[in-house]
Amino acid sequence: GQNIDQPTEMTATEGAIVQINCTYQTSGFNGLFWYQQHAGEAPTFLSYNVLDGLEEKGRFSSFLSRSKGYSYLLLKELQMKDSASYLCAVPLGGYNKLIFGAGTRLAVHP
Amino acid sequence: EAQVTQNPRYLITVTGKKLTVTCSQNMNHEYMSWYRQDPGLGLRQIYYSMNVEVTDKGDVPEGYKVSRKEKRNFPLILESPSPNQTSLYFCASSLSGSWSMNTEAFFGQGTRLTVV
Repeated sequence: GQNIDQPTEMTATEGAIVQINCTYQTSGFNGLFWYQQHAGEAPTFLSYNVLDGLEEKGRFSSFLSRSKGYSYLLLKELQMKDSASYLCAVPLGGYNKLIFGAGTRLAVHP
Repeated sequence: EAQVTQNPRYLITVTGKKLTVTCSQNMNHEYMSWYRQDPGLGLRQIYYSMNVEVTDKGDVPEGYKVSRKEKRNFPLILESPSPNQTSLYFCASSLSGSWSMNTEAFFGQGTRLTVV
């Protein structure tokens, strides 16, 4: 089976750093995706990790540990526009399904 | 412009009245899928298609049908809608369903469906 866990909500201050965690259990592993979704809008792609370690892309970085079934998204220099939901997704091993976590709603305050 | 287009964006209908939500992509993607999004449950996959004439059930297929007669189109059909199908629906496409770099999903703008 498969299971993806993320915290439901987080709050942070403008200019700060926040880490959003994702743990997953899948039979087989074909990488992990992070998406951003503003309220009422479509999800948009942020990152893809398939190897262990940190991938940096501007203010956003994503980390993966395959042995621990764990990933995090690191957002630096937070801006008000970063207030959104962040979705972790993994392909279901052995199938062609893409399974999403319930998402973490991040609120950035001044 | 590369995009996934869903129609309609908003729909209110009555129980039992058949409806179709259209989805079209212009990126020549092989993989297309439908999701529904409900508060606290996240995105749940309804059906997906690896290519033309190849479709398969996702996690919540009951009450839905799909078809993939052309590569660009992947309509979602509700033969007899019920109130528990009230939800926000997203269509998505990817280069391939063999997941790797550059196979991220591109999403349509969503269809908010209300069944009364």
